[in-house]
Amino acid sequence: KAGVTQTPRYLIKTRGQQVTLSCSPISGHRSVSWYQQTPGQGLQFLFEYFSETQRNKGNFPGRFSGRQFSNSRSEMNVSTLELGDSALYLCASSPGPQRADTQYFGPGTRLTVL
Amino acid sequence: KNQVEQSPQSLIILEGKNCTLQCNYTVSPFSNLRWYKQDTGRGPVSLTIMTFSENTKSNGRYTATLDADTKQSSLHITASQLSDSASYICVVSVGDSSYKLIFGSGTRLLVRP
Repeated sequence: KAGVTQTPRYLIKTRGQQVTLSCSPISGHRSVSWYQQTPGQGLQFLFEYFSETQRNKGNFPGRFSGRQFSNSRSEMNVSTLELGDSALYLCASSPGPQRADTQYFGPGTRLTVL
Repeated sequence: KNQVEQSPQSLIILEGKNCTLQCNYTVSPFSNLRWYKQDTGRGPVSLTIMTFSENTKSNGRYTATLDADTKQSSLHITASQLSDSASYICVVSVGDSSYKLIFGSGTRLLVRP
């Protein structure tokens, strides 16, 4: 089976712009979770989608949003980018809810905000 | 407050030696505990996942232990290899309707020849 894929792998944006990141889970996986990873904060949970429904959300401002499509592919959107949004954004998929199942991570999208 | 603390923050060992990484948690209610390995610039890879009733779980040269009474876990790496150089992250799943995962800050391991 193909692993979790994320596009694009690298992205450079300027403050105030918006960005959309994409994640394709492993075939058959219904849960997709998004994480932000920075050197100072480590891994932080953004949100989880399961069968097109947002199941859980971390402590991030409303500028961060996401959605999941019927084929389980997911997108994450960040509006009005700030310098502090520069990070590695990781997507992980699992067959069932993230709480119960092993998660498989993608390679991440490295976002740089100038 | 639900927290996961890992120690040490960083560790340097010689190739072939064993090492043990620690994870203490104050998560309640508890669902499961996971260890991940993350190579620089790559996504984390799951090593083990343990529920309340499991004390030990192995994955090759990696052995994780869990003491649910003291809320402690350890990851033991046997006969370390250069490829073990990575960050090791402990994650605890909250066993309620929040479905939250609580992440530790990780231990950065460097294996030297």
